[in-house]
Amino acid sequence: SQTIHQWPATLVQPVGSPLSLECTVEGTSNPNLYWYRQAAGRGLQLLFYSVGIGQISSEVPQNLSASRPQDRQFILSSKKLLLSDSGFYLCAWDVKQGRSQPQHFGDGTRLSIL
Amino acid sequence: KNQVEQSPQSLIILEGKNCTLQCNYTVSPFSNLRWYKQDTGRGPVSLTIMTFSENTKSNGRYTATLDADTKQSSLHITASQLSDSASYICVVSWNSGYSTLTFGKGTMLLVSP
Repeated sequence: SQTIHQWPATLVQPVGSPLSLECTVEGTSNPNLYWYRQAAGRGLQLLFYSVGIGQISSEVPQNLSASRPQDRQFILSSKKLLLSDSGFYLCAWDVKQGRSQPQHFGDGTRLSIL
Repeated sequence: KNQVEQSPQSLIILEGKNCTLQCNYTVSPFSNLRWYKQDTGRGPVSLTIMTFSENTKSNGRYTATLDADTKQSSLHITASQLSDSASYICVVSWNSGYSTLTFGKGTMLLVSP
């Protein structure tokens, strides 16, 4: 069966520090991968998606970046965190075949910026 | 602008009772509509996915309906359990050639003993 792992589960970082969140998927190959941010009281906001290794599309301008060094690995990074980067970050995957397949989410990383 | 509006924002019901959550959307062109359950501090989990031609779909005690003409969907929970306490998120997929989704803000359901 397929599983998705995100770590760390929680993270507290000072303003201006770097960030690296990692997501890995098991049990499937060549998935689409996504990074979302969920702010309190708001819907999920798509940050990045990837259809393959090294292929990253950004949905919103920000000081975050994403990379996909391996087929089932997706990394969210920042060189300098802002207070506004606080939130709940979710990684997700789905299959390429068919648009009526669900996205499968990890359990997220709660990021607090001090 | 593509939008998904959910109501109510929050809801408290007694264990064993039924409830219905609402979702209205303005997404176009429409591909499919999804309901997710999100427990506090966890990632969303898919409950149902309905395409344009489907007007009802069940998953255990969860039944989703879709009226593509009025652009409305509902999620009915039967015989609620304490474990149903969660946020329920309505998500609409665009027909834009990629898996692009518009998320509602969710309805927070609390099932009280």
